[in-house]
Amino acid sequence: DVKVTQSSRYLVKRTGEKVFLECVQDMDHENMFWYRQDPGLGLRLIYFSYDVKMKEKGDIPEGYSVSREKKERFSLILESASTNQTSMYLCASSPSSDTQYFGPGTRLTVL
Amino acid sequence: GESVGLHLPTLSVQEGDNSIINCAYSNSASDYFIWYKQESGKGPQFIIDIRSNMDKRQGQRVTVLLNKTVKHLSLQIAATQPGDSAVYFCAEKWKGTYKYIFGTGTRLKVLA
Repeated sequence: DVKVTQSSRYLVKRTGEKVFLECVQDMDHENMFWYRQDPGLGLRLIYFSYDVKMKEKGDIPEGYSVSREKKERFSLILESASTNQTSMYLCASSPSSDTQYFGPGTRLTVL
Repeated sequence: GESVGLHLPTLSVQEGDNSIINCAYSNSASDYFIWYKQESGKGPQFIIDIRSNMDKRQGQRVTVLLNKTVKHLSLQIAATQPGDSAVYFCAEKWKGTYKYIFGTGTRLKVLA
């Protein structure tokens, strides 16, 4: 079975803090993705990576950055957290051109 | 515009009945479609997929139908069970890209 894990299920941070969300997959997938999920808006793509050290902006990259130093790990960074970044963050991985498998999600609250 | 939508935000069905969840997609160039199930507080779980060269695909108790003429996707769940209660959403993948567009979801409630 594909396993995608995320470092935290729940996270509470203060405005202005730097936040790291980590995602690890164990299936040697090339592609990894970070989404945020908000009520009524569906999943929106923040960033994705198609190879180590390669990344591309998604639909809403502002306020976020990413890092992919190893194939199995994809990190999402909030340089200076703001209240409008309170959301559910979902990581996904996929082999090339195929199904995305999601992690359990991290519910981030920024106070 | 680019959108994947659902006709019904909430669907209530009696246990044992069949459920049908619908989805409209807007990009005729999409070549791959997925249905996900998401239970409260959890990440989306893959249910079934279909490629654009097919009209129908069956899994265990689930069937996905694709009508490319009207850009419509449906998920049929046979003999719905209480464990099927969740939010279901569809996703379309644009051909030749990594881009997926996700619907906002339909909540399925199974009544005992």
